[in-house]
Amino acid sequence: AQSVTQPDIHITVSEGASLELRCNYSYGATPYLFWYVQSPGQGLQLLLKYFSGDTLVQGIKGFEAEFKRSQSSFNLRKPSVHWSDAAEYFCAAPNQAGTALIFGKGTTLSVSS
Amino acid sequence: DVKVTQSSRYLVKRTGEKVFLECVQDMDHENMFWYRQDPGLGLRLIYFSYDVKMKEKGDIPEGYSVSREKKERFSLILESASTNQTSMYLCASRPGGAEQYFGPGTRLTVT
Repeated sequence: AQSVTQPDIHITVSEGASLELRCNYSYGATPYLFWYVQSPGQGLQLLLKYFSGDTLVQGIKGFEAEFKRSQSSFNLRKPSVHWSDAAEYFCAAPNQAGTALIFGKGTTLSVSS
Repeated sequence: DVKVTQSSRYLVKRTGEKVFLECVQDMDHENMFWYRQDPGLGLRLIYFSYDVKMKEKGDIPEGYSVSREKKERFSLILESASTNQTSMYLCASRPGGAEQYFGPGTRLTVT
């Protein structure tokens, strides 16, 4: 069965430092992959998506993610983190039937000054 | 911009009450979803609907039902609320593509 794993529950990064959030998936075919962000008390906002083509995808708020088939990974990156990036981040992929998304358990990002 | 709205941001209900959570989307999307979100468990799919009056169970449908009488509206019903249904409930909609658009969530507390 398809699964999405985010190995890091909580990460703390200094403001201005670079960020990488990890996501691994298990999927038979070429997956669609997504990263969402959730600010406290809010719904989820789509950061970026990978469907096919270029393996490096750009998203909103200066985020990017790289799809690596050989590693079954879709890691999220940002070169310089801002305090407003503190939030919970979710990686997602379609379920086996393609009818809904399955989500990783999320990574909480804290930003220190 | 896609807009998904949920009828309440916060709800407090008593055990045994019937609870309705409403979700409305304004983009004529075919598919709508209800998830619950709990700390450490991420988002889990309760039900989804791919058309009016059509519904499919997700991963955790027990204790819930849904209704979709109009394309823009998808309701989640807790027939008899229990304390273990205290959670954040998120509604989403999706056009023909794969990405989903989420509402702001309803934080439900059952006492």
